[in-house]
Amino acid sequence: AQTVTQSQPEMSVQEAETVTLSCTYDTSENNYYLFWYKQPPSRQMILVIRQEAYKQQNATENRFSVNFQKAAKSFSLKISDSQLGDTAMYFCAFFGNEKLTFGTGTRLTIIP
Amino acid sequence: EPEVTQTPSHQVTQMGQEVILRCVPISNHLYFYWYRQILGQKVEFLVSFYNNEISEKSEIFDDQFSVERPDGSNFTLKIRSTKLEDSAMYFCATRLDSGANVLTFGAGSRLTVL
Repeated sequence: AQTVTQSQPEMSVQEAETVTLSCTYDTSENNYYLFWYKQPPSRQMILVIRQEAYKQQNATENRFSVNFQKAAKSFSLKISDSQLGDTAMYFCAFFGNEKLTFGTGTRLTIIP
Repeated sequence: EPEVTQTPSHQVTQMGQEVILRCVPISNHLYFYWYRQILGQKVEFLVSFYNNEISEKSEIFDDQFSVERPDGSNFTLKIRSTKLEDSAMYFCATRLDSGANVLTFGAGSRLTVL
């Protein structure tokens, strides 16, 4: 079974700064996918970014990028030029065995 | 952009009552999921559904829970006799096919059991 660990329950950062959220996972699979989801106060689950395990290049979506270290089973999310609208819960998730498994989340607060 | 639609957005019920949560998947999606999130906690997998049958279920998905797709469109989650600990946000998610890895989530149904 796969597990996803987010070791930072809460983080805060000043607006316009850069913040990195950590995620590690454990799996015996070789072909899988990793995701970061954002959950604002509305509780909607919003896909932020995804990474295919077979790709060495780190995924990037505008201000969001990941640092994917397959051997270390690490998948961190970097948010550059953070904005007030980035305040939310962020969940790391692993897709394998036909389902998505979530970490416990990191509550990120952007301070004006 | 296609959406997954969930109803109701919020339901309050008495302990022991039956509850049905409904989900309208994206029209060409074939894989359906229910997830649960107790307030302040992680999002937990309940069940996956494909080709009109359950593919996998978690230990949370006991005999009180059932899923079906009765009319080929709505995908429902039924809780037969609700308990206080069933209070949570329930998310429906759908996926296109076996080659796809992105789940599209609905906005969730908040269930409050009194």
